[in-house]
Amino acid sequence: GQNIDQPTEMTATEGAIVQINCTYQTSGFNGLFWYQQHAGEAPTFLSYNVLDGLEEKGRFSSFLSRSKGYSYRLLKELQLKDSASYLCAVVDSNYQLIWGAGTKLIIKP
Amino acid sequence: NAGVTQTPKFQVLKTGQSMTLQCAQDMNHEYMSWYRQDPGMGLRLIHYSVGAGITDQGEVPNGYNVSRSTTEDFPLRLLSAAPSQTSVYFCASSYQAAHGNTIYFGEGSWLTVV
Repeated sequence: GQNIDQPTEMTATEGAIVQINCTYQTSGFNGLFWYQQHAGEAPTFLSYNVLDGLEEKGRFSSFLSRSKGYSYRLLKELQLKDSASYLCAVVDSNYQLIWGAGTKLIIKP
Repeated sequence: NAGVTQTPKFQVLKTGQSMTLQCAQDMNHEYMSWYRQDPGMGLRLIHYSVGAGITDQGEVPNGYNVSRSTTEDFPLRLLSAAPSQTSVYFCASSYQAAHGNTIYFGEGSWLTVV
């Protein structure tokens, strides 16, 4: 079967750095998305990786290793507004999205 | 910019009732889909459409019907509501199928079946 694993919940302090991991086992791979979802709201797009390596944009980075079936989302200089769920999703060989259950990130002052 | 609009936002149904969740997008996207989101689980695909007149089943299609008569609209029908269909439903669209294309979500519909 296809499976995406993320930690259920993480807690960090304002101003700190946090890394949210995502491991996947899917039938084929055609890219990996990260989405952010605030409580009671719709998911919104953060990043898309299809090649190995690290992509950085401001306070945020996304890393992918296809050989290890692994990705992470790195958030630096955490702000209270970063409190949200972070969803990892893989595009499989049929170009369907397989979603992880999401990681709830709690930022404390 | 309307994006993806879905209605209603909240709905309470009695077991056995039917209803339709409406979804419309104004971005001329070919691909539209319906997901349900339940606690502790990832988004699960109910039905999807790659263009007007074409629909297909996703991971959890039982108890739901869809149609795609126009590019803009993709309603989801619950045929005979059951408590197991209590969930949050999201309509989504993208330019084409998921591969590399950003998916835009509607604001969600909170459905409770009693």
